[in-house]
Amino acid sequence: AQKVTQAQTEISVVEKEDVTLDCVYETRDTTYYLFWYKQPPSGELVFLIRRNSFDEQNEISGRYSWNFQKSTSSFNFTITASQVVDSAVYFCALSEVPGRRALTFGSGTRLQVQP
Amino acid sequence: GAVVSQHPSWVICKSGTSVKIECRSLDFQATTMFWYRQFPKQSLMLMATSNEGSKATYEQGVEKDKFLINHASLTLSTLTVTSAHPEDSSFYICSAREEGAYEQYFGPGTRLTVT
Repeated sequence: AQKVTQAQTEISVVEKEDVTLDCVYETRDTTYYLFWYKQPPSGELVFLIRRNSFDEQNEISGRYSWNFQKSTSSFNFTITASQVVDSAVYFCALSEVPGRRALTFGSGTRLQVQP
Repeated sequence: GAVVSQHPSWVICKSGTSVKIECRSLDFQATTMFWYRQFPKQSLMLMATSNEGSKATYEQGVEKDKFLINHASLTLSTLTVTSAHPEDSSFYICSAREEGAYEQYFGPGTRLTVT
């Protein structure tokens, strides 16, 4: 069975601080995808990144960066110089490949960025 | 990019009535659609997987007679909550995937309130 754990329920930072959101996963599959989504108060999920299990390269996109470490089954997400607009709930998710590819979501981390 | 719509975006209904939620893929053919449910301040939980032209596969604990899913065309899946109760109040989100594609695209969600 697949499982995604986001141990941080809520994080509060002051604007311009860096913040890292942790994600640890469990799966028996050798091939899988990992995702991060942002859910603002409106509720709509915003796709941030998808990472294939074979690709352990870290990725940077603007102020966002992701650290994928297969050895520790972690896929952490860092926001550099946080902004108030980053306030949202962030979900880490996992899907099997191949297969029906439904997503298993973590419990989410609520990020509050104070001005 | 691929767009998935949901209708209605929010609905209030009385206990005991039924309500239908539509999920449409606007610019691609979705052979598979997923329905998720999200209770307040909780994660998204998969309810069922529907493949066009066949019966939906429900997750353990989800009553198939209560949550009727129909995926009659490659662009439309519907979720009908029958005999709704206040505990069915939730945020329902669908996602859609093309055959052979890795990406799945999420709809904006439908907030159901049962009074």
